Amino acid sequence: AQSVAQPEDQVNVAEGNPLTVKCTYSVSGNPYLFWYVQYPNRGLQFLLKYITGDNLVKGSYGFEAEFNKSQTSFHLKKPSALVSDSALYFCAVSPVNDYKLSFGAGTTVTVRA
Amino acid sequence: DVKVTQSSRYLVKRTGEKVFLECVQDMDHENMFWYRQDPGLGLRLIYFSYDVKMKEKGDIPEGYSVSREKKERFSLILESASTNQTSMYLCASSSMDRPTDTQYFGPGTRLTVL
Repeated sequence: AQSVAQPEDQVNVAEGNPLTVKCTYSVSGNPYLFWYVQYPNRGLQFLLKYITGDNLVKGSYGFEAEFNKSQTSFHLKKPSALVSDSALYFCAVSPVNDYKLSFGAGTTVTVRA
Repeated sequence: DVKVTQSSRYLVKRTGEKVFLECVQDMDHENMFWYRQDPGLGLRLIYFSYDVKMKEKGDIPEGYSVSREKKERFSLILESASTNQTSMYLCASSSMDRPTDTQYFGPGTRLTVL
């Protein structure tokens, strides 16, 4: 069975500073990895995903994530955070032969002006 | 754009009531999913459907059932609602085309069972 860990419940950064949200995963075989964002009282919005190939994946709103197979990690990054990036972020994993996603518990990001 | 809609944003029901949550997608997706979201637990899969009339249990199916009579519609049923089913319920859909499939989510239904 697959699982995801997001070790930080909350991340606080100042606007303009780099933002990193951590994610580690466990899965049998090769993974598909995803990041989603949830704004207050909204559903989840897809940010980016890793399937295969280049370990650095670029997504929506200036976000990127780096796949590290040896460390089983898929950390989300943004070089310069905005106040509007304040939201709840979820990492998710599925094995390549299954449609079902397993989600982490989520990380609340607060960007202060 | 993919659009997934859910019948209610907020719902209040009483213990023992039968509750129906409806989800409709307009992208002709084969796969549809129901999750519940609870603080500190993330999203947990309740049921998954990969075709009309086909369903598969997720991680927490107890107390729930589902119905998929048409490709675009996936219903979650609480046969006898209980207070521990108070939660946010999210529906999602995706195509079957690996690896390009991505799950797209509806806005969610916040259910309160009194």
